Amino acid sequence: NAGVTQTPKFQVLKTGQSMTLQCAQDMNHEYMSWYRQDPGMGLRLIHYSVGAGITDQGEVPNGYNVSRSTTEDFPLRLLSAAPSQTSVYFCASSYDPGTEAFFGQGTRLTVV
Amino acid sequence: DAKTTQPTSMDCAEGRAANLPCNHSTISGNEYVYWYRQIHSQGPQYIIHGLKNNETNEMASLIITEDRKSSTLILPHATLRDTAVYYCIVRVEYGNKLVFGAGTILRVKS
Repeated sequence: NAGVTQTPKFQVLKTGQSMTLQCAQDMNHEYMSWYRQDPGMGLRLIHYSVGAGITDQGEVPNGYNVSRSTTEDFPLRLLSAAPSQTSVYFCASSYDPGTEAFFGQGTRLTVV
Repeated sequence: DAKTTQPTSMDCAEGRAANLPCNHSTISGNEYVYWYRQIHSQGPQYIIHGLKNNETNEMASLIITEDRKSSTLILPHATLRDTAVYYCIVRVEYGNKLVFGAGTILRVKS
């Protein structure tokens, strides 16, 4: 059972480049979310989804897009990377919002 | 969602109980207390959650005061592997957001 899988684990981007962070879960969870964590700080919610075809903004959505075409996948897109988006990104899933959330191992992104 | 206050850091001797406090004086009647931990920059890990009764699972116990304004997470026999940042989160059980504060850095020492 793989749980929540994030790819890539590490990425370096140049300012202005675009990329997609991948997140996949094999637990048939409806609820998925993306967080970012800056050094020495707690996690902040970027976007979340309560099911396929439904997404909503979290606390810090600017500069990020998401879509949810399948239950399993919830990719996070950076359209034009900025140094301020240098962070560790975590994807999480849960059966519903009130139950235990499972987190991936993170993607460490550096924008230069 | 209610705001929580936790100490910045705590130390605990290996094999002893670790008691991590959390204040949530503005908690509403339908808000639960959740605990997660994050070990060395890994993804956070769920520990336990509860409403008003004390809860226990294989990882920890959660003690919530009668007025629900504070709670304590208890790791009964701390090991070096329990060194982590512990987050206390208050929210409606089926709310969509986990709001993480700075948490408490727990250092378990041999």
